[in-house]
Amino acid sequence: DVQMSQFPSSLSASVGDRVTITCRASQGITNYVAWFQQKPGEAPRSLIYAASNFQSGVPSRFRGSASGTNFSLTISSLQPEDFATYYCQQYYSYPHTFGPGTKVDIK
Amino acid sequence: QVRLVESGGGVVQPGRSLSLACSASGFIFRGSGMNWVRQAPGKGLEWVASFSHDGSKIYYADSVKGRFTISRDSYRNTFYLQMSSLRSEDTAVYFCGKMSSPIHTTPDSWGQGTLVTVSS
Repeated sequence: DVQMSQFPSSLSASVGDRVTITCRASQGITNYVAWFQQKPGEAPRSLIYAASNFQSGVPSRFRGSASGTNFSLTISSLQPEDFATYYCQQYYSYPHTFGPGTKVDIK
Repeated sequence: QVRLVESGGGVVQPGRSLSLACSASGFIFRGSGMNWVRQAPGKGLEWVASFSHDGSKIYYADSVKGRFTISRDSYRNTFYLQMSSLRSEDTAVYFCGKMSSPIHTTPDSWGQGTLVTVSS
């Protein structure tokens, strides 16, 4: 099974900050990575697929990128509604494993 | 727009069965695949099962293989997750997530989730 490590596990940031979250796959998965945002008590929201492609309606301040087995989600200017937990997922092979999540909270 | 509504959650005793439904609208149902993902209380997301767009491929997490069955009813525009031999560790909110495409099988849309509690 492909393992996804994710870091940091949590971070504190201010509105307007640039934030980067990284996932590392345990083996090559080309670009089959997705990113999700989840707020407490809510369903996940899909942000990015294929490492860098936007899902419908996602603001352009969210950017996905890839380098080998490292995948990053960058929020260029953090907005109040962006405080949430973020998960990566690989869908290159089954089981489709998620990273453990990164909680972004207010500094 | 895409709408997914899960139902069927509740409290069930260990060893018993429960069936979840994911009612879909707003997209071409027959050409779409579906994922089930769960989240135990206070924990992260866990992929559970997937049904490919054409129904030719079905996959399960090892933790549910042999106990859970994913299926599709194209007449009712509904996907199902039939769960049997339930264990306390199956306690979670269960989400259905529509596949983005036949190639990109990750979810692009999600239902609101339904809570399953396995307890005596």
